[in-house]
Amino acid sequence: QKEVEQDPGPLSVPEGAIVSLNCTYSNSAFQYFMWYRQYSRKGPELLMYTYSSGNKEDGRFTAQVDKSSKYISLFIRDSQPSDSATYLCAIVDRDDKIIFGKGTRLHILP
Amino acid sequence: DTGVSQDPRHKITKRGQNVTFRCDPISEHNRLYWYRQTLGQGPEFLTYFQNEAQLEKSRLLSDRFSAERPKGSFSTLEIQRTEQGDSAMYLCASSFPGRVNEQFFGPGTRLTVL
Repeated sequence: QKEVEQDPGPLSVPEGAIVSLNCTYSNSAFQYFMWYRQYSRKGPELLMYTYSSGNKEDGRFTAQVDKSSKYISLFIRDSQPSDSATYLCAIVDRDDKIIFGKGTRLHILP
Repeated sequence: DTGVSQDPRHKITKRGQNVTFRCDPISEHNRLYWYRQTLGQGPEFLTYFQNEAQLEKSRLLSDRFSAERPKGSFSTLEIQRTEQGDSAMYLCASSFPGRVNEQFFGPGTRLTVL
């Protein structure tokens, strides 16, 4: 089992919809969980991170970690066409390295 | 611009040639990381430095790859005798020590090996 699993999509939703992006991870010892956004032919941009479990909100974005099910989520409210990008979930492993998921391609349809 | 910069942004080379990429991190950041990203995949860790010391290398980093950070500022990644399988986006990131969860990425160097 890979350390971080993420459905590559693509995921297409209409503008204004709530988007839900998800990942699963394998090791219950992981403590830091991140979401990066990557536009085509650009480097990843850190959106937000959470430590341990719970929710974290930043504007239209909410990150959620459920350690009991090893499930991490990113919700985007009032989605905009400018949100169209690839979203990468990531964890910090026990060797202090970032392990990324494959990324989910998101298309927001105007 | 005080973000991470990489040069060149694109490189096309023929198989067997050597290539070198440069990364300039955010100036206050001691840690510098190199990643490789292929189409449809997330970035994969290659190596990282704390100041000028190279602290870890992935098994993905074959002996054709070498990275340096001679003065603890910018870093170079060299690939010798390039192969078609080396075609990828090479990403650099930087962070403060102990803040590995807050890495800031550069725009990447896209390498195409013909």
